[in-house]
Amino acid sequence: QKEVEQNSGPLSVPEGAIASLNCTYSDRVSQSFFWYRQYSGKSPELIMSIYSNGDKEDGRFTAQLNKASQYVSLLIRDSQPSDSATYLCAVAESGTYKYIFGTGTRLKVLA
Amino acid sequence: DVKVTQSSRYLVKRTGEKVFLECVQDMDHENMFWYRQDPGLGLRLIYFSYDVKMKEKGDIPEGYSVSREKKERFSLILESASTNQTSMYLCASSLPPGQRYGYTFGSGTRLTVV
Repeated sequence: QKEVEQNSGPLSVPEGAIASLNCTYSDRVSQSFFWYRQYSGKSPELIMSIYSNGDKEDGRFTAQLNKASQYVSLLIRDSQPSDSATYLCAVAESGTYKYIFGTGTRLKVLA
Repeated sequence: DVKVTQSSRYLVKRTGEKVFLECVQDMDHENMFWYRQDPGLGLRLIYFSYDVKMKEKGDIPEGYSVSREKKERFSLILESASTNQTSMYLCASSLPPGQRYGYTFGSGTRLTVV
């Protein structure tokens, strides 16, 4: 059974700090990786995708991928209270149409 | 923007009822998915479809069936609702593997079975 693992948190950071969210996966052949944000009572929303080793930046968000270590991370710079949500890591399962989701890390940004 | 629309935001059904959850997407996506989400268990795949009239079981298909008669519509059917099917149900659509867009989710249906 292929897996995606995340620390459930909550991860608490002060406003303005960098939040670092981590994810490990078991499928060595996976090529596509995603981060979703989910506010309480809402559906997940795609915020970042990454396919190559290294960093990908989009505004205050940076996704980092290390395929050798099977590790994906999301950095949120200048964290805001509005960033408080659960962040889901998803990995496209090799050879199928499916994505495998982690159970999510709950982030709390303290004003 | 891709839009995935789920027909109901909240539903309350009685045990034993047959329940239909509808999902429509407007971007000609081949793949559609039904998940349920429960606290502590994350997103669990019930069924998915990669083409009209094609379907495959996900990780927890027991007690559910699906229908995809048209490309844009994917229905989840609870044959005889039970209280352990009380959950948030999420529909998603995507382009095929190799297309790097991820899923687009609908707004979800919170189903309560009493």
